[in-house]
Amino acid sequence: QSELTQSPSASGTPGQRVTISCSGINSKITNNAVNWYQQLPGTAPKLLIYNNNQRPSGVPDRFSGSKSGTSASLAISGLQSEDEADYYCEAWDDGLNGPVFGGGTKLTVL
Amino acid sequence: QITLKESGPTLVKPTQTLTLTCTFSGFSLSTNGVAVGWIRQPPGKALEWLALIYWDDDKRYRPSLKSRLSITKDTSEDQVVLTMTNVDPVDTATYYCAHRKLNWNDGSSTFDIWGQGTRVTVSS
Repeated sequence: QSELTQSPSASGTPGQRVTISCSGINSKITNNAVNWYQQLPGTAPKLLIYNNNQRPSGVPDRFSGSKSGTSASLAISGLQSEDEADYYCEAWDDGLNGPVFGGGTKLTVL
Repeated sequence: QITLKESGPTLVKPTQTLTLTCTFSGFSLSTNGVAVGWIRQPPGKALEWLALIYWDDDKRYRPSLKSRLSITKDTSEDQVVLTMTNVDPVDTATYYCAHRKLNWNDGSSTFDIWGQGTRVTVSS
């Protein structure tokens, strides 16, 4: 099955800036917008970034998204302990004719 | 304020049919540009999209599960129902429904609001 590739884990200390990447094969990311979701432990996913770099109302500007070619990135600046969560990228897959998620990145705040 | 809530059995036996209901409020599934999707997450694993139903009753299914899935909507009751036939222990997961919003400007879309999820175990 088609998928988006994420590093399984990332870490940082409070105050640091961390980046989580998402790479896609074929044209999934190149041609379509990327969304990012945050899943805190034991909770449902929450939309963090949509359309590559847009923040929904209420999401702090510490979170930012970007896309270039076949890769997308989520950056978190001023890392806080409450940012410890799983982060998923998602993009529309024209071949699947539906959305596809990345494997998720577990962010640890040291 | 948009909310969604999943409901259904917590335990299902192998080969049985699983029926999950998503009851929502704060939007109408007859409004242009709106869809509701189902996504599942096996324990300790990643999110996996299953099905989508659009305001115009267009439906999309994960190809590998298409023969086992059916998604329907009841606009008058503000519900979306997902059925999965012939379940197997590998179908054990938390099942989420989510509101999918279409951006008419560029055709992008996103799951902007999620339900809390319902845990389903498939075991004899």
